[in-house]
Amino acid sequence: QSVLTQPPSASGTPGQRVTISCSGGSSNIGRNTVNWFQQLPGTAPKLLIYKNNKRSSGVPDRFSGSKSGTSASLAISGLQSDDEAYYYCAAWDDSLNDFYVFGTGTEVTVL
Amino acid sequence: EVQLVESGGGLVQPGMSLRLSCAASGFTFHDYAMHWVRQSPGKGLEWVSGIAWNHGPIGYADSVKGRFTISRDNAGNALYLQMNSLRPEDTALYFCVKDIEPYNYYYGLEVWGQGTTVTVSS
Repeated sequence: QSVLTQPPSASGTPGQRVTISCSGGSSNIGRNTVNWFQQLPGTAPKLLIYKNNKRSSGVPDRFSGSKSGTSASLAISGLQSDDEAYYYCAAWDDSLNDFYVFGTGTEVTVL
Repeated sequence: EVQLVESGGGLVQPGMSLRLSCAASGFTFHDYAMHWVRQSPGKGLEWVSGIAWNHGPIGYADSVKGRFTISRDNAGNALYLQMNSLRPEDTALYFCVKDIEPYNYYYGLEVWGQGTTVTVSS
């Protein structure tokens, strides 16, 4: 089963905008919606974005998602120190049987 | 408040079995698909299995197919994962996760439990 490809790391200074990419294929991102999760150290993942660009309850509008073709991206504007975390994209894949595929994960560092 | 509390993890030898449980509260359990997701130490997230609101299995990751079985008890608001023929590579933190929309599983995994740790080692 495939995975979605993300850059291993991204960084920025406080206040900057950081963008994370997520590359997939026609059977996952190309056909289904994309989710984004934030995982702070030692905690369970938290859903940030669903249906490509909808923010989950309580998620600040500094976080935004988009999708085009078989790729998606997450943008974090006004970067803050507590945004330091791992970020994962995910989507359903219906190539043969349904399965939910995660991205490889991106570690965001606030410099 | 939606709560998911996993239990049943532990240390087992390769080839043994383990049954994970997830107690759900704070929402209408029988309306939502549920999932198990795992995370090996220092690694990323891997979807293990999902089950629809009406007990129909959504599927399994290739890595566990034929060894793990997902089930649910809608009357008791509980989710289960029966894990047989365990391997060292099954060592991970296992999360119970609730889907975001009722009667649908294509839109996202919304609420996560804190996880239960499974260690497979001789």
